[in-house]
Amino acid sequence: QQQVKQSPQSLIVQKGGIPIINCAYENTAFDYFPWYQQFPGKGPALLIAIRPDVSEKKEGRFTISFNKSAKQFSLHIMDSQPGDSATYFCAASAPLGNEKLTFGTGTRLTIIP
Amino acid sequence: ETGVTQSPTHLIKTRGQQVTLRCSSQSGHNTVSWYQQALGQGPQFIFQYYREEENGRGNFPPRFSGLQFPNYSSELNVNALELDDSALYLCASSGGQGGETQYFGPGTRLLVL
Repeated sequence: QQQVKQSPQSLIVQKGGIPIINCAYENTAFDYFPWYQQFPGKGPALLIAIRPDVSEKKEGRFTISFNKSAKQFSLHIMDSQPGDSATYFCAASAPLGNEKLTFGTGTRLTIIP
Repeated sequence: ETGVTQSPTHLIKTRGQQVTLRCSSQSGHNTVSWYQQALGQGPQFIFQYYREEENGRGNFPPRFSGLQFPNYSSELNVNALELDDSALYLCASSGGQGGETQYFGPGTRLLVL
């Protein structure tokens, strides 16, 4: 059973545009929501993370918007650059003692010059 | 500060063989989690080790086993390899002052023929 649904599967945006990637979750016990960036042949790298007590968090060009009532959260990338082309994963974990991450299926983002 | 390292980077095995993958956690981290990432998919939680004890397991059969050593490094062992075990195996470390944030290594690419 997929507990974190991610969309779109792929996304093409022009340089300078604002790609938006969306995730929805089912498990109301989730309380930690990180986003990871993964380049081909590499491990996922943490970009930014949020908890349900805030509705938005910004770090550099990356912003997470969080809607607790809708059980949805999204990643916005401001002033996107070709170097942002990668696969992005949302994830979630619950305070059950082992903080295992449940990942979405990923979004392949391409930024065209 | 040294990041998470994994070895080997690539591995080719035949069906029925056994494999051992290794992970060195980031300095100051006492928890190691293992994930399997099939091509085009998000990582799937295999299990986690905290202070040398298994601390949670995902939906993987018993032929997937692990160890954590006193220096918090870890091994993932897979017996009786199947073709579907072909994947990128990721190790993530967490704990210490970093809390629940999981930092991933570059992964080991396993191909089962």
